Amino acid sequence: AQSVTQPDIHITVSEGASLELRCNYSYGATPYLFWYVQSPGQGLQLLLKYFSGDTLVQGIKGFEAEFKRSQSSFNLRKPSVHWSDAAEYFCAVGAAGSYIPTFGRGTSLIVHP
Amino acid sequence: EAQVTQNPRYLITVTGKKLTVTCSQNMNHEYMSWYRQDPGLGLRQIYYSMNVEVTDKGDVPEGYKVSRKEKRNFPLILESPSPNQTSLYFCASSQPGQGVPGANVLTFGAGSRLTVL
Repeated sequence: AQSVTQPDIHITVSEGASLELRCNYSYGATPYLFWYVQSPGQGLQLLLKYFSGDTLVQGIKGFEAEFKRSQSSFNLRKPSVHWSDAAEYFCAVGAAGSYIPTFGRGTSLIVHP
Repeated sequence: EAQVTQNPRYLITVTGKKLTVTCSQNMNHEYMSWYRQDPGLGLRQIYYSMNVEVTDKGDVPEGYKVSRKEKRNFPLILESPSPNQTSLYFCASSQPGQGVPGANVLTFGAGSRLTVL
């Protein structure tokens, strides 16, 4: 079965600073990888996904993520954080043949002015 | 507007009083699921449904029931709620992506915060 680890429970950055949120997965084959964002009081929204092809994927709101098979990682990055990016971020992995995507425990992003 | 609608958004109830959280989607999606979100535990799947009359257990199904009589609706039923079911609940729907279930992109509802006293 697949699993996802988000090692950081909280991340604090200053507005305008760069951001990297870590995600490591465990799965025997090529996974389907996702990042979702949960703004306060809202449901989750898809930021970006990786299924195959180019390992650097672009998403909404200026986010990008890079799939590194050798490190089993799919880290989320943004070059310059805005105060509105403060939210909970979830990495998820889907496996072929499974209807049950596995979510990480989430990373809470705090943005200081 | 394509959306998943959950009701109620907030509910306080007492132990043992049956309740239903409704979920409806307007995208004609085949796949629907329920998650609960608890601090430090992330999202855990309760039940999912691949189509009408087809449901299956997720990771934490105990104490919950679901039904899928219509494609658009997927209610979550707590027959006898207990305090350990106090949580934030999300309904989600999707179409299988690229022909395989694992590639599903989920559309989530806004959440239902349930407190059981």
